[in-house]
Amino acid sequence: DVKVTQSSRYLVKRTGEKVFLECVQDMDHENMFWYRQDPGLGLRLIYFSYDVKMKEKGDIPEGYSVSREKKERFSLILESASTNQTSMYLCASSPTGGRKQPQHFGDGTRLSIL
Amino acid sequence: TQLLEQSPQFLSIQEGENLTVYCNSSSVFSSLQWYRQEPGEGPVLLVTVVTGGEVKKLKRLTFQFGDARKDSSLHITAAQPGDTGLYLCAGNSGNTPLVFGKGTRLSVIA
Repeated sequence: DVKVTQSSRYLVKRTGEKVFLECVQDMDHENMFWYRQDPGLGLRLIYFSYDVKMKEKGDIPEGYSVSREKKERFSLILESASTNQTSMYLCASSPTGGRKQPQHFGDGTRLSIL
Repeated sequence: TQLLEQSPQFLSIQEGENLTVYCNSSSVFSSLQWYRQEPGEGPVLLVTVVTGGEVKKLKRLTFQFGDARKDSSLHITAAQPGDTGLYLCAGNSGNTPLVFGKGTRLSVIA
């Protein structure tokens, strides 16, 4: 069974802090994704990566960066957290074989910025 | 920009009733996926449809991909409280990442 593990289920940080959200998958998937999920807005793609050291901007990359130094790990970084980044953050991974492969999600990190 | 519109946004029904939720777009997708998300968890894949007109069944759930591959529906027969959750459709076209709809939040009351 594919397992995508996000480091924290709940996280509370203060405005201006640098925040790291970690995601690890154990199925050797090439593709990894970071989303945020907000009521009424659905899932919005922040960044994604199709290979180690590679990253591409999604629909809402402003205020975020990512790091993919190893295949199994994809980190989301909030450079200077702001209250409008309070949200549920979801990490996902998928294999190659066309980018239509289904995504496997972690259970999410509920981040509150005070 | 490709968009997937899901309807209805919210649905509350009694146990045993049937229901259908819809996923529509003006764009053609090479495949379409349905996910269910329960509170406090990430979305979990239910099914992938790839051929226009395709119908797939998963126990009491029936998924259909439109002939033109622009829309899909999910029909649940005799809904149960365990079906409660957020149902998301997601489409893929070419080399772009999946496009997600905003979801239908289903509540089945015992």
